[in-house]
Order: sequence, then structure tokens, then C-alpha cells
Amino acid sequence: GDSVTQMEGPVTLSEEAFLTINCTYTATGYPSLFWYVQYPGEGLQLLLKATKADDKGSNKGFEATYRKETTSFHLEKGSVQVSDSAVYFCALTDLNSGGSNYKLTFGKGTLLTVNP
Amino acid sequence: DSGVTQTPKHLITATGQRVTLRCSPRSGDLSVYWYQQSLDQGLQFLIQYYNGEERAKGNILERFSAQQFPDLHSELNLSSLELGDSALYFCASSPWGGTTYTGELFFGEGSRLTVL
Repeated sequence: GDSVTQMEGPVTLSEEAFLTINCTYTATGYPSLFWYVQYPGEGLQLLLKATKADDKGSNKGFEATYRKETTSFHLEKGSVQVSDSAVYFCALTDLNSGGSNYKLTFGKGTLLTVNP
Repeated sequence: DSGVTQTPKHLITATGQRVTLRCSPRSGDLSVYWYQQSLDQGLQFLIQYYNGEERAKGNILERFSAQQFPDLHSELNLSSLELGDSALYFCASSPWGGTTYTGELFFGEGSRLTVL
């Protein structure tokens, strides 16, 4: 079945450092790709998404590009802040399968801690 | 605030017991999803309901069951609880699909279950 592999954490960075969290996927269809973020004590919320190859999703300074040739969707941010400390999840779903019986498949999550 | 409400937020119970977790989706969302989040397994998809009908099943144990009611709220029933069932249980909702569908799930804050 479909699967998502994320780099193992935890990741600890200093404020203003560059962030990369690697994500690769395996899918039988043509999935849409997502990054979700979970702040402490909260539920997951969508950070960004891309629905087709070469699309770049971006939000709050984070970016990720859908690379079909390498089946990857790496998350990057040029300058992290303390407020970015959270768990980041890469996910995929196949929107092209139609109907309403789709689901999101998540990676295991990467804990990011940003120190002042 | 995602608009998805889960109760209770915390629950402590003993092995062998049965509990019910409740979820109210965002207004207008027809699909409800249940996920289990544990440290070792990450986020695991349990089950999806759409407009009262089961639409997709994931790694849900036979001791667990769910339903979606006519008012679209959903309940996840966990019975014969074991220590390993201790986890954070998330509910998520989404609007009906089709060409306008974004693939985004809206998550509640979760119900933390502790089995002693």
C-alpha cells in the first residue's frame, strides 16, 4: 500500500537556521502531497500542499516541491523561529481515485525544536 | 480552532473496560475520520465514515468500532481495553469531494486515553 517515509528526528536547530525535513513516498496512483504541523497540545493542521508534479506548496515561509522523479516532497524553511517548534508530518492521498473513500497516509512525524 | 470538537480531552481507565470517544465534525463536513497516534506507531488511520456510512477501514482492531449518526457526529467505541491502547485518538473531518475538493483534513485536538 501507499506509504510515507520521513527523516527521523528529533531535529534541534538554533533560531534563524535553515531547515530541511526529508520526505519520500511510495504510491500506486498519482497522489497529492501534504505537510501537516502539530503544535504542542494541539491537533494537526495543514501547513502546505501540492497536487501535481513540480508544484511548489508554500506557507508561513515553509516550502516543499512535488518531485515525481524522485518521489519526494522535502520541507524547507530558510530561517526558523522558536515558534516553529512542533511535530511535522508528511502525508499523501490519492485525490484522483474519485469517490469519498480516500484517506491520508502519514509519515511518523519529525519533532523540530528551535532554540533561541 | 479547526471547528472539530472531540470529547473527552482526557480519559483514564482500567484494562478490560470500555470507553466511547465522541467527535463533532465541522459544520457542513460529511466525512469523519478516526486516527490513533502513539509514540511507536505514529499516526494510524482507523476508519472513515461518510454521511453515516462506513467508507474505508484501516488498522482498526476488532475490539474497536465506530459509527456516524444522522446529525453527522461520530463515536469511536473501544472495548476490552489493553495497556497498548493508550494513545491519542484524533478525529478529523472533510467536506464532500469532487473536483473542488482540496484533500485537506481538519483535525480536532484529540482524546488522550490512558489505560492502567
